[in-house]
Amino acid sequence: AQSVTQPDIHITVSEGASLELRCNYSYGATPYLFWYVQSPGQGLQLLLKYFSGDTLVQGIKGFEAEFKRSQSSFNLRKPSVHWSDAAEYFCAVITSGTYKYIFGTGTRLKVLA
Amino acid sequence: NAGVTQTPKFQVLKTGQSMTLQCAQDMNHNSMYWYRQDPGMGLRLIYYSASEGTTDKGEVPNGYNVSRLNKREFSLRLESAAPSQTSVYFCASSEQGAKNIQYFGAGTRLSVL
Repeated sequence: AQSVTQPDIHITVSEGASLELRCNYSYGATPYLFWYVQSPGQGLQLLLKYFSGDTLVQGIKGFEAEFKRSQSSFNLRKPSVHWSDAAEYFCAVITSGTYKYIFGTGTRLKVLA
Repeated sequence: NAGVTQTPKFQVLKTGQSMTLQCAQDMNHNSMYWYRQDPGMGLRLIYYSASEGTTDKGEVPNGYNVSRLNKREFSLRLESAAPSQTSVYFCASSEQGAKNIQYFGAGTRLSVL
């Protein structure tokens, strides 16, 4: 069965530091992959997506993610974190044929001033 | 452009009471979804509607019913609420198709006492 793993439940970084959030998936074919962000008390907002082509994708708010097929990973990165990036981040994959998302359990990011 | 609107934002129920969560989208999307979000478990799909007139069970449908009232509206009903249904509920919508990007409402926070 398809699955998405986000191994880090909580991450704390200082403002201005770089960030990498990990996402691993289990999926037989080439997946469609997404990163969403959820600010406190809000719904989910799409950060970026990967369907095919260039394995390094750029998203909103200065985020990027790299698809690595050999590692079954789709890690999210940002060179310099801002205090407003404090939120929960979800990785998701679309399942074949049904177009239903499978979400990871999320990584909560805390940013220190 | 409101996007996906959910009502109510907050609700407290007693065990055994019933209620309907409302969701409406103004993006002319064919597909709509209901998720629940619980700590440490990410988002889990309750029901979805691939197109007007169709509904299908997701990962955790027990205790819920849905109605796709028209293309814009997709409601979720709890017939006899239980404490285990205390959660945050999100509605989402998307274009129909394999590369769907889902757009989320702000959520309904439900407590069942």
